[in-house]
Amino acid sequence: GQQLNQSPQSMFIQEGEDVSMNCTSSSIFNTWLWYKQDPGEGPVLLIALYKAGELTSNGRLTAQFGITRKDSFLNISASIPSDVGIYFCAGPTGGSQGNLIFGKGTKLSVKP
Amino acid sequence: ETGVTQTPRHLVMGMTNKKSLKCEQHLGHNAMYWYKQSAKKPLELMFVYSLEERVENNSVPSRFSPECPNSSHLFLHLHTLQPEDSALYLCASSLRARVDYGYTFGSGTRLTVV
Repeated sequence: GQQLNQSPQSMFIQEGEDVSMNCTSSSIFNTWLWYKQDPGEGPVLLIALYKAGELTSNGRLTAQFGITRKDSFLNISASIPSDVGIYFCAGPTGGSQGNLIFGKGTKLSVKP
Repeated sequence: ETGVTQTPRHLVMGMTNKKSLKCEQHLGHNAMYWYKQSAKKPLELMFVYSLEERVENNSVPSRFSPECPNSSHLFLHLHTLQPEDSALYLCASSLRARVDYGYTFGSGTRLTVV
């Protein structure tokens, strides 16, 4: 079945550093979604991407829809302690009426 | 506050107990989902309801019993659970025809089975 592979699995960085993570698939996706899960909470949607090559920002976060439609990237600039959490990529199976599948997440730790 | 409310936030239950988790949304969504999140297997889809009809059951043991009385409410009834069922249980909702808009998740119920 379809799978989303996220890397890295975890990151431990210093406050102020930039962060890059990615999500890849063997299948083409027409939508890429990025979620963040704070410790002890549910995932919250950060950014949605709908077009190959699209670059979308949300504050210090920037996500890109890969031109092959098989990958997506999330960058965080000038990280702060509240960026701590797990970042998930997700994409719909079976078009807009299928289910979402999720990657296993990238766990981010920020040292003040 | 995401618009999806789960209660209780924390639950400790014995293996012989019966308890229920509740999820409520007033976002106008017509699909609701239960996910299990544990350290070993992040975000496992358990059940999908579309227009109050169960459309997916991902080989979940019968000790978990979902109920969707209307499009705004979803329950997960628990009985004779095992310690390995301890996890964060997340409810989510969406527009069934537009999952590309994403799911909205609740804050979860942290379940501990003793």
